[in-house]
Amino acid sequence: DAKTTQPTSMDCAEGRAANLPCNHSTISGNEYVYWYRQIHSQGPQYIIHGLKNNETNEMASLIITEDRKSSTLILPHATLRDTAVYYCIAGAAYSGGGADGLTFGKGTHLIIQP
Amino acid sequence: ETGVTQTPRHLVMGMTNKKSLKCEQHLGHNAMYWYKQSAKKPLELMFVYSLEERVENNSVPSRFSPECPNSSHLFLHLHTLQPEDSALYLCASSQVRGTYPNSPLHFGNGTRLTVT
Repeated sequence: DAKTTQPTSMDCAEGRAANLPCNHSTISGNEYVYWYRQIHSQGPQYIIHGLKNNETNEMASLIITEDRKSSTLILPHATLRDTAVYYCIAGAAYSGGGADGLTFGKGTHLIIQP
Repeated sequence: ETGVTQTPRHLVMGMTNKKSLKCEQHLGHNAMYWYKQSAKKPLELMFVYSLEERVENNSVPSRFSPECPNSSHLFLHLHTLQPEDSALYLCASSQVRGTYPNSPLHFGNGTRLTVT
């Protein structure tokens, strides 16, 4: 998996959009960008993933730059329950029939302020 | 409900005990994973099973022994552990589709293990 760089921590006001950046300048052409989050004492929760195009689902939006060297996860209306550690991972999209575990870094601790 | 169930949620064991962690996935996936999360450290991938065959073993000590009897169940057998093995052990599953993109990992809520 390509190395990713994220800020250690971020604050965001409740009700505002939370924008979490991630740098993955060494990402290869067959690697997706995945985002997960982990709330204290729970397992990581899948949020979204993408290859080239921007993606949106009911939880968040993922904006990937044209050169794919960085991305931003957007939580459009942050709530207190969005306080968690957010992990950005660049991982293999195709494994030729095998399975690849993803490599997690230290992530960004997002704190939503009331 | 995450679709991946781990039991027990908490486990305290002595260094001479033998215990097993259990994971069951209800998502129809065909790949399963064990991760270890120690305090203040990133998640560490321990074992990967694809189609019930072990495909990755990341230099894990032999006191940890995985077993995958079928695509829905995964065990981690523990014996003669050390206090530094105390951690949150997480199970995950995904769908492997050959040359098609793999599905994201879905995690359970883990077993909090304390070795005394």
